[in-house]
Amino acid sequence: DTAVSQTPKYLVTQMGNDKSIKCEQNLGHDTMYWYKQDSKKFLKIMFSYNNKELIINETVPNRFSPKSPDKAHLNLHINSLELGDSAVYFCASASPPNTGELFFGEGSRLTVL
Amino acid sequence: GQSLEQPSEVTAVEGAIVQINCTYQTSGFYGLSWYQQHDGGAPTFLSYNALDGLEETGRFSSFLSRSDSYGYLLLQELQMKDSASYFCASDNYGQNFVFGPGTRLSVLP
Repeated sequence: DTAVSQTPKYLVTQMGNDKSIKCEQNLGHDTMYWYKQDSKKFLKIMFSYNNKELIINETVPNRFSPKSPDKAHLNLHINSLELGDSAVYFCASASPPNTGELFFGEGSRLTVL
Repeated sequence: GQSLEQPSEVTAVEGAIVQINCTYQTSGFYGLSWYQQHDGGAPTFLSYNALDGLEETGRFSSFLSRSDSYGYLLLQELQMKDSASYFCASDNYGQNFVFGPGTRLSVLP
């Protein structure tokens, strides 16, 4: 049983297209995240939801829109894709009391041509 | 803003001990985590320090000094499989995890 699962694992698409990445966790955690890892491997937080409510929204273009239909799911929709959006997107989850531990999905590698 | 610093690369030989340092400047600091990431894989959790001092988990230990805004990850009896990137991450307000730039460890035979 995969704890945090993301789909799809790979996306290759053209500039200007719209794409979505889905994430599901079966750990019963309250908080979910989206991180972007660029080619230099820098992991940057994008969004965080706690029980379906947005709690962290870093400086991310509004072409990126997260949606949490329930606390087990956090999806990421990206409009009008740009070359600079190419990266690996990781979903993660965590649960209080805080142990400092994030559980990451396997990542979704997005390539924009 | 929130920022963490780590060395970009460290090289060591099998069986050796290596220390990866991390300094941080963050607000709402709760603790410091460490993650390992192999090429093509996802980050995996190694340890967390909320209090000052040393935490030991097998071959890996992690240290935190809140007064110095400093921590380190100590890897002992290095093995080839330890070659990976290692990230420190500050836990801010118990929910905002900000990652350092990562340290690439190469273990040589």
